[in-house]
Amino acid sequence: GNSVTQMEGPVTLSEEAFLTINCTYTATGYPSLFWYVQYPGEGLQLLLKATKADDKGSNKGFEATYRKETTSFHLEKGSVQVSDSAVYFCALISSGGSYIPTFGRGTSLIVHP
Amino acid sequence: EPEVTQTPSHQVTQMGQEVILRCVPISNHLYFYWYRQILGQKVEFLVSFYNNEISEKSEIFDDQFSVERPDGSNFTLKIRSTKLEDSAMYFCASSREGQNSPLHFGNGTRLTVT
Repeated sequence: GNSVTQMEGPVTLSEEAFLTINCTYTATGYPSLFWYVQYPGEGLQLLLKATKADDKGSNKGFEATYRKETTSFHLEKGSVQVSDSAVYFCALISSGGSYIPTFGRGTSLIVHP
Repeated sequence: EPEVTQTPSHQVTQMGQEVILRCVPISNHLYFYWYRQILGQKVEFLVSFYNNEISEKSEIFDDQFSVERPDGSNFTLKIRSTKLEDSAMYFCASSREGQNSPLHFGNGTRLTVT
């Protein structure tokens, strides 16, 4: 079946530090990959997506590249801000059959001033 | 920008009671979902709904759960006889299409079963 594995959190960084949150997946076919973000007290919001190998999704300074050879979709940001503190979820939608997204456990990011 | 709205934001109920969680999806969306997130754990799929019927459901979505779209705008999740382990954040989501279409989530309802 489909699964998404994210690095354990929390990730604690100082402002302006470089961020990487690892995500690897197992899926049949060629899934579409997503990162969602959940700010405190809110629902999940789509942050970025990539629908085929080597695509790079980007938004708000965040980037992730769809790496088919390593089945990964790591989230990166060059310089984090306090306002980036949130929980980040990696997700996939399989290309065959179900269109239901499978989510990872979520990785909490805490950014200190 | 249109939003998915959920009510109530927090529901406390006693074990064995019935609860109904309410959602208003984005108006031109066609696919509707319920997910739940037990504290500290992953976001788990419960059920999806399309064309006025359940299209997929997970193992979690057993006979104590049901969904309805009673009036063309609301989308409800009913838990007939709540258990302590049903305590979680329940998220409603909608999407315009199925495949590759991002989900738009509500802010969730925190259900506490005592």
